Amino acid sequence: GENVEQHPSTLSVQEGDSAVIKCTYSDSASNYFPWYKQELGKRPQLIIDIRSNVGEKKDQRIAVTLNKTAKHFSLHITETQPEDSAVYFCAATNMDSNYQLIWGAGTKLIIKP
Amino acid sequence: DAGVTQSPTHLIKTRGQQVTLRCSPKSGHDTVSWYQQALGQGPQFIFQYYEEEERQRGNFPDRFSGHQFPNYSSELNVNALLLGDSALYLCASSLGGPPEAFFGQGTRLTVV
Repeated sequence: GENVEQHPSTLSVQEGDSAVIKCTYSDSASNYFPWYKQELGKRPQLIIDIRSNVGEKKDQRIAVTLNKTAKHFSLHITETQPEDSAVYFCAATNMDSNYQLIWGAGTKLIIKP
Repeated sequence: DAGVTQSPTHLIKTRGQQVTLRCSPKSGHDTVSWYQQALGQGPQFIFQYYEEEERQRGNFPDRFSGHQFPNYSSELNVNALLLGDSALYLCASSLGGPPEAFFGQGTRLTVV
């Protein structure tokens, strides 16, 4: 079955700098890769997702890149702000044959003022 | 639109007891997935309900069971509670399956 690994587990960046979180997946049939942000004590929120027919997707300060050959995808946050501090999770699934999202272990992003 | 709502928000149970958690999906959604999130970890898929049937199940024992009603709301039942069942239980709704775009606020279950 699918396995998703996420790195780093903790990331501390200066406010205004960029942050990059990386995930690798094992099942080459996976075709949907969402990213979630979870603030302390709150529900996960979908912030961006990408499907396997696309290599990159951007939404304002957030972007996701996908390398299908290497089976990894990354979340990029530019011009980080204090409100970006949270735990970020990646996930993967094959939407054609599976209804189960497999999640990474999470990255705690700390924005230093 | 109230989004996905879960009840109760917090619950304390004794080991060996049974618990029922409830979830109302976002309006227009017909699929409900349940996740268990232990402290400091990512959500783990328990199962998904669609058309009142369990469509897929994660690696959880039979003590975890569920139900979906004709109005698409869902219940998660856990029998013979263990200390290790203490976690945040999340419900997510969608139309037909992934993507899981909408989560409820979760039920924090503490087993003592």
